[in-house]
Amino acid sequence: EAGVAQSPRYKIIEKRQSVAFWCNPISGHATLYWYQQILGQGPKLLIQFQNNGVVDDSQLPKDRFSAERLKGVDSTLKIQPAKLEDSAVYLCASSLQGANGELFFGEGSRLTVL
Amino acid sequence: AQSVAQPEDQVNVAEGNPLTVKCTYSVSGNPYLFWYVQYPNRGLQFLLKYITGDNLVKGSYGFEAEFNKSQTSFHLKKPSALVSDSALYFCAVRDSQTGANNLFFGTGTRLTVIP
Repeated sequence: EAGVAQSPRYKIIEKRQSVAFWCNPISGHATLYWYQQILGQGPKLLIQFQNNGVVDDSQLPKDRFSAERLKGVDSTLKIQPAKLEDSAVYLCASSLQGANGELFFGEGSRLTVL
Repeated sequence: AQSVAQPEDQVNVAEGNPLTVKCTYSVSGNPYLFWYVQYPNRGLQFLLKYITGDNLVKGSYGFEAEFNKSQTSFHLKKPSALVSDSALYFCAVRDSQTGANNLFFGTGTRLTVIP
């Protein structure tokens, strides 16, 4: 079974530039999550989708971050403009609908903002 | 509000010795508790979870964890550590009263098993 796919694995940009990350969840997983993991911290939820609808985006900095999951399958997370403090690993995860917390994570996209 | 505390940033243990990685939590309702492991440059991998039932849960790679409601703890244990167990371990909690299935993670504990 294919896992959660993410790209790119690494990205280096200047502050105020934009960046986009892509995620393809496990086939059949209705729920998709984007987490931000800053070095030395635990992952923090940015946004959760159920199919193509947003369940929770309370921690998403909406002035610069956006995410979409138009067809209820893959998803993109965009940052525009990027700030130094956005340097982190962006983790995508998916789960079956109604699953009690067993999330399947991708390998992450590491962003460095200079 | 929900929170998770992992009081130790680093745990060192000799190969073959038992290991414990500590976790305490706070939720409004009943907790759903999880342990995930992260190897270098990899995503998080699910180890085990407690939802209901037996307080001792067994998971992947010989790990187990004990739910203690009175102490609000969910410590991760393994009887005999392997060098390959060296990794970053995250405890996570979900409040059963919330509708969303998202997890709140602790800050992680780095386990080093010394040969």
